[in-house]
Amino acid sequence: GAGVSQSPSNKVTEKGKDVELRCDPISGHTALYWYRQSLGQGLEFLIYFQGNSAPDKSGLPSDRFSAERTGGSVSTLTIQRTQQEDSAVYLCASSLSGRQPQHFGDGTRLSIL
Amino acid sequence: QQPVQSPQAVILREGEDAVINCSSSKALYSVHWYRQKHGEAPVFLMILLKGGEQKGHEKISASFNEKKQQSSLYLTASQLSYSGTYFCGTEEGAQKLVFGQGTRLTINP
Repeated sequence: GAGVSQSPSNKVTEKGKDVELRCDPISGHTALYWYRQSLGQGLEFLIYFQGNSAPDKSGLPSDRFSAERTGGSVSTLTIQRTQQEDSAVYLCASSLSGRQPQHFGDGTRLSIL
Repeated sequence: QQPVQSPQAVILREGEDAVINCSSSKALYSVHWYRQKHGEAPVFLMILLKGGEQKGHEKISASFNEKKQQSSLYLTASQLSYSGTYFCGTEEGAQKLVFGQGTRLTINP
């Protein structure tokens, strides 16, 4: 079956531009997570969606970051006015519900020039 | 609060055993373990829920000591395919994970 799909796989943009990253979770998975992974580092939690509940945004590093999940399926992570420190791999994961195994997508490698 | 993993890196010969530890300063509801190979996405290994249980998957097993807020991952008779970075993810009850910095495991022939 299809896994978690993320697009684009790579994104290069200039400092100050806005970017949108997309995540298509496994069908039927109610929980969706966004993480950020800088080179050689661990996974930094950004945001968590569970069903129709209000998302847990406690990991978003600044108000330049936002995310939404439409129809309980596809999610978009938006970064406004990008900065060089935003360069990282952004990983999306989904699970059947909270506290279940998380299935990760291949990530979007974001490079800010 | 980010859990602390130890060691940060370990190099083994094929067939040797390894233990990776994950320690938190917070009370935990569950601990997850994932393995990430270079350039790839993390892959789920196992979940341990509070209750001190131990789980196993082939030659990889793990324990969770709720009172000590610690989990350990045991790799026995390591294979070349076990190489990668291992992450523990701890859950404090809000169903979101905080990951450790990872332990890089290298298995040499």
